[in-house]
Amino acid sequence: DAGVIQSPRHEVTEMGQEVTLRCKPISGHNSLFWYRQTMMRGLELLIYFNNNVPIDDSGMPEDRFSAKMPNASFSTLKIQPSEPRDSAVYFCASRTTVGYGYTFGSGTRLTVV
Amino acid sequence: KNEVEQSPQNLTAQEGEFITINCSYSVGISALHWLQQHPGGGIVSLFMLSSGKKKHGRLIATINIQEKHSSLHITASHPRDSAVYICAVLYGGSQGNLIFGKGTKLSVKP
Repeated sequence: DAGVIQSPRHEVTEMGQEVTLRCKPISGHNSLFWYRQTMMRGLELLIYFNNNVPIDDSGMPEDRFSAKMPNASFSTLKIQPSEPRDSAVYFCASRTTVGYGYTFGSGTRLTVV
Repeated sequence: KNEVEQSPQNLTAQEGEFITINCSYSVGISALHWLQQHPGGGIVSLFMLSSGKKKHGRLIATINIQEKHSSLHITASHPRDSAVYICAVLYGGSQGNLIFGKGTKLSVKP
């Protein structure tokens, strides 16, 4: 199994541009999580899905952020328009609802200039 | 007050030393995770605990549910153990998610 796959690994964009982060969870995992990591706040949950349905999006900072999971094997996190304060590492993780074990992707390091 | 507290925040050790990182939490949990993150790297799950003790190589994790406390021990520490160690608690059962501690930055000197 290739694990949780995130793309791109690094993204540098100009303020105001749209950014799309992608995640492919482990096959058979029915929960998917998007996290953001910053020096100041550590790891924070943005949104999570169970069986492709968004369960809790209370961590999404504002309307500029949106996430979708059109099927069990793919999710996107979109920021439009991006701002410098969105610069962070974004992690995707997946798990099954049995056993509670999490697998994290390698993260996407986003820099908004 | 943070729901998950880790101590110490930073730790410097000499190679070969025994290391302990502590985690205390204030919520009812289904499980507790210890995660490892190398500089610029991804996050790796080291342990998931709901009771007792687990061992993997030089790493040992313990949890006391009644005291809401967990410890991660590293025996015979090595420079490659240098990383950030993050405690995360899972609450809410099968519909729940993780609450993270701020992490402990460990540096092991040769």
